[in-house]
Amino acid sequence: DAGVIQSPRHEVTEMGQEVTLRCKPISGHNSLFWYRQTMMRGLELLIYFNNNVPIDDSGMPEDRFSAKMPNASFSTLKIQPSEPRDSAVYFCASSSGAGGGYTFGSGTRLTVV
Amino acid sequence: GDSVTQMEGPVTLSEEACLTINCTYTATGYPSLFWYVQYPGEGLQLLLKATKADDKGSNKGFEATYRKETTSFHLEKGSVQVSDSAVYFCALSSGAGSYQLTFGKGTKLSVIP
Repeated sequence: DAGVIQSPRHEVTEMGQEVTLRCKPISGHNSLFWYRQTMMRGLELLIYFNNNVPIDDSGMPEDRFSAKMPNASFSTLKIQPSEPRDSAVYFCASSSGAGGGYTFGSGTRLTVV
Repeated sequence: GDSVTQMEGPVTLSEEACLTINCTYTATGYPSLFWYVQYPGEGLQLLLKATKADDKGSNKGFEATYRKETTSFHLEKGSVQVSDSAVYFCALSSGAGSYQLTFGKGTKLSVIP
């Protein structure tokens, strides 16, 4: 298995632009998680899906952030409009549940200038 | 709610020194416990796990024992190497239908030759 695949690995964009981050979970995993990591705040859970349904989006910082999971093999995290304070590394992770832990992707490093 | 407390870092050790990173938790029920490692520029990787009291997880020379009486899951290694330099995260999954992991803030380890 290729693991959790995220794209792009790096994204530099100007303030106000729309940014879309993509994630392909491990086949057969039914839970998907989006995290944000910064030096100041550490690792923050933004949203997670179970069987493609959003279960908890209480970590989404504001309405500029949205996430979708149209099918079991693909998810997007969109920021519109982006702001410099959104600069962070965004991780996607998937899990089969039942105490098995998560598999993380390599992350997308987002820089908003 | 569930929570994980890790010792504050950073931790700096000489090669071949002994390592202990303390982790304690608060959870309802019988959680599963995990240690994840994040090498520079990469995503988090599962290092080891334990799913019930008195279980010992081990991998790559690292060990941690699930201690229910002290609600702890301390990470240990007898002789660290420069390649062990990374950030280590303790985490728990409380189960009970939730696949969500609760992470500690992470402990940065630097091993010097």
